[in-house]
Amino acid sequence: EIVMTQSPATLSVSPGESASLSCRASQSVSSNSAWYQQKPGQAPRLLIYGTSTRATGIPARFSGSGSGTDFTLTISSLQSEDFAVYYCQQYNNRPYTFGQGTKLEIK
Amino acid sequence: QVQLQESGPGLVEPSQTLSLTCTVSGGSIRSSGYYWSWIRQHPGTGLEWLGYIYYTGSTYYNPSLESRVSISIATSKNQFSLKLSAVTAADTAVYYCARGDNCSGGGCYSGFGSWGLGTLVTVSS
Repeated sequence: EIVMTQSPATLSVSPGESASLSCRASQSVSSNSAWYQQKPGQAPRLLIYGTSTRATGIPARFSGSGSGTDFTLTISSLQSEDFAVYYCQQYNNRPYTFGQGTKLEIK
Repeated sequence: QVQLQESGPGLVEPSQTLSLTCTVSGGSIRSSGYYWSWIRQHPGTGLEWLGYIYYTGSTYYNPSLESRVSISIATSKNQFSLKLSAVTAADTAVYYCARGDNCSGGGCYSGFGSWGLGTLVTVSS
């Protein structure tokens, strides 16, 4: 199965600044990757699919980039509600797999 | 907007079978282009995809659990279900049902756009 490795495990950023979260796949997944946001006690929420397409209702401050094995989620001008755990996922090969998550915390 | 809701026992004894049902509302489970999945999250850790089913009954299971997992569908009730046999404490997790979007030919190409709230299942005697 494809292993998705996220870095860093924890990222401390001040509100109003930007954050870049990384995800690396153990083999190419083309552009078949997604990002999810999860807050405590809630289900994950789809942010980005197809590497760079924002899901319905997702603010423009969320953007995705990359291809092949390296992917980045960038959040510009961080708002208080953006501090959460973020997961990347590949759906290029079954079984679908997720990264272990990056916790974005307030600095 | 489609909504999903998991239901089932919150406590299962070791070696027994875990059974959960996901009820879909706001849309038909027979709609083409969607695969219906189960995903779990162990306490404090990441996400594990267990498998999916299409409304025709076609399934795919994660090989890591394939010998123990079964997903079925009841289109007349707009529900799909998960059974996980021979459970151990390692199966304690929050179980989510989710809808895979833009699916065809065995794959989904727009991620999981809709999720249930999740249900905690504890395996303990």
